[in-house]
Amino acid sequence: QVQLQESGPGLVKPSGTLSLTCAVSGGSISSNNWWSWVRQPPGKGLEWIGEVYNSETGSPNYNPSLKSRVTISVDESKNQFSLRLTSVTAADTAVYFCARGADGYGYGHYWGQGTLVTVSS
Amino acid sequence: EIVLTQSPGTLSLSPGERATLSCTASESVSGRLLAWYQQKPGQTPRLLIYGASSRATGIPDRFSGSGSGTDFTLTISRLEPEDFAVYYCQQYFRSPNSFGQGTKLEIK
Repeated sequence: QVQLQESGPGLVKPSGTLSLTCAVSGGSISSNNWWSWVRQPPGKGLEWIGEVYNSETGSPNYNPSLKSRVTISVDESKNQFSLRLTSVTAADTAVYFCARGADGYGYGHYWGQGTLVTVSS
Repeated sequence: EIVLTQSPGTLSLSPGERATLSCTASESVSGRLLAWYQQKPGQTPRLLIYGASSRATGIPDRFSGSGSGTDFTLTISRLEPEDFAVYYCQQYFRSPNSFGQGTKLEIK
């Protein structure tokens, strides 16, 4: 059974960089799947951040609203993938989820439990 | 970017009743590449439906999805107490893989 686990700082200062990692167990990060990040501000809906297929296939896809600030990458040696979001503001405060697709598609078949990141000084 | 609009925003029904939730896309979602999720407070989204009408593993058959093109529907045939939650649709046909704003299904 595939399991995903997010980790990273729960508090980031304004103008700083948010960095999260999603550790994958029960499957290989190199498998033919889309690996994605989704976030949810407190009391609000889901927002798709972006996705990556694997380190050898093409470029990641990003939400245009975040594209200038976001990087998603894969670390095959550690069987994990990461999110980096620069120049954060209070509007980036949210629960961040990592997810994996299936059948070569990018819907959320497996999800991590989510991690709350607060942007505050 | 494909914009998904879910209606109604809130649906008030009683256990045992039938729920019909709608998801309308701003342009055609080719291949019926649309999913539905259920989310309860403090929990992770749970995949219910993918490919517009395929139930995910372990999802009861009272949940069904239908539709194509720009109009999609999630139907819960007979509501159980545990079905009251927020439901989201997501298209994964074209990046960015957008979500709808959600429909809150509440107990009447």
